[in-house]
Amino acid sequence: GAVVSQHPSWVICKSGTSVKIECRSLDFQATTMFWYRQFPKQSLMLMATSNEGSKATYEQGVEKDKFLINHASLTLSTLTVTSAHPEDSSFYICSADRGSNEQFFGPGTRLTVL
Amino acid sequence: DQQVKQNSPSLSVQEGRISILNCDYTNSMFDYFLWYKKYPAEGPTFLISISSIKDKNEDGRFTVFLNKSAKHLSLHIVPSQPGDSAVYFCAASDGGGSNYKLTFGKGTLLTVNP
Repeated sequence: GAVVSQHPSWVICKSGTSVKIECRSLDFQATTMFWYRQFPKQSLMLMATSNEGSKATYEQGVEKDKFLINHASLTLSTLTVTSAHPEDSSFYICSADRGSNEQFFGPGTRLTVL
Repeated sequence: DQQVKQNSPSLSVQEGRISILNCDYTNSMFDYFLWYKKYPAEGPTFLISISSIKDKNEDGRFTVFLNKSAKHLSLHIVPSQPGDSAVYFCAASDGGGSNYKLTFGKGTLLTVNP
């Protein structure tokens, strides 16, 4: 149990376009979902925390208007990178907590902005 | 400011020997610590955790030691196996509840040679 999926696994887009990444908890309901970003050889940096039905809490330095998070149900959260630029190219990973204070991570999405 | 530090970017050990991965932290509010294993282009997988009220937790070949006074923890893997080769992340949390956050180190690449 405790499987988290992400879609797509990789995406290449042109600068200025928007990209949506989905995170799903497949076999449990996630009270809280987290979005991370990882640059090469760096640690996972928390971007935002979201609870179903409420607005996401963004970490300092993360632009909420650029990284739109929607947590519409207990099994689905989406991250939309709006007007993507090459500096947004990164590995985006979500995680989900089923209420046990233990995060289960998705496989990640590799975003490349040309 | 890196609150969780893994000062060794890489470690190489021989199969069958012990692997010791180290982690230091600076935030005295951290009270729960976790180790994750990560393969390239995949999300982290939970390995083992320890609460600040303990100084040792063991699970099969994996043992985590916590030295609160030194703000130091370590992960011991014995015996090491080639399949253990991956990046290992140390993470720390400063409390439970629905909005807890994990702070990650930069990771240590472990290579176990046959």
